[in-house]
Amino acid sequence: NAGVTQTPKFRILKIGQSMTLQCTQDMNHNYMYWYRQDPGMGLKLIYYSVGAGITDKGEVPNGYNVSRSTTEDFPLRLELAAPSQTSVYFCASSGTALNEKLFFGSGTQLSVL
Amino acid sequence: QKEVEQNSGPLSVPEGAIASLNCTYSDRGSQSFFWYRQYSGKSPELIMFIYSNGDKEDGRFTAQLNKASQYVSLLIRDSQPSDSATYLCAVDSSASKIIFGSGTRLSIRP
Repeated sequence: NAGVTQTPKFRILKIGQSMTLQCTQDMNHNYMYWYRQDPGMGLKLIYYSVGAGITDKGEVPNGYNVSRSTTEDFPLRLELAAPSQTSVYFCASSGTALNEKLFFGSGTQLSVL
Repeated sequence: QKEVEQNSGPLSVPEGAIASLNCTYSDRGSQSFFWYRQYSGKSPELIMFIYSNGDKEDGRFTAQLNKASQYVSLLIRDSQPSDSATYLCAVDSSASKIIFGSGTRLSIRP
C-alpha cells in the first residue's frame, strides 16, 4: 500500500523555470493538501482540495497553481520559479478535514538558484 | 494575528521529566486539534488528536484542550531522548483546511 507518493524527491531549478510537483494517493481520500516548509519553520498551506474539480487557496498561494481532475492526483505547478520558492514541499491527504489524520508524502526538496 | 501560534523553542527538558508544549489558535469555529511530531528530514507523523474540551491521554502523551481560551497543549511524561523532535500543532479552519503552527523544537538532554 503506497499511501501518498510525491515525485520528484529532489529538484534544482533555475530562476524563471517552471515545473510540476506530482502527488498521488491510493486511499480514495477526498481531501488533499500542498504545504511548504522553510528551514526551521512550520508548514504553510499553499492550496487544498476537498474533492475532484474543487480547489482553493491556502495561506501562501502566490506563484503556484493546482488542479484536481481525479480523486487520486493533485499536482502543484510552479510558474516562473523564484529563490523564495526554495523549500521542502509536502503533499498530504485525508478522508475528511475533521477527526482524521493527514497522510503525508515523503516531501520534495526544491532549490531555485 | 497568526491562525495557529506556538513558541518556537528550543525547549530543553532533562530525560525523565515532563515536557509541556503549548499552542493557541484564533478561529473559534475550529473543531479538530492535532499534534504532529517531525524528526529532522522526515515527514510529520500524528501523535495526538483531540476535539473535546479536557484531557486525552495516550501512553506518555496527554493532549489538553480549552476551547474557551482557544488553547491546546501537549504533555510528554517521562521524556526520552527519542522524543527530541519538532512538535507541530495543527487546527482545522473552516472545516476543510488544516493550518499548522510554526512548531516547537524539543530537546531531551540525558
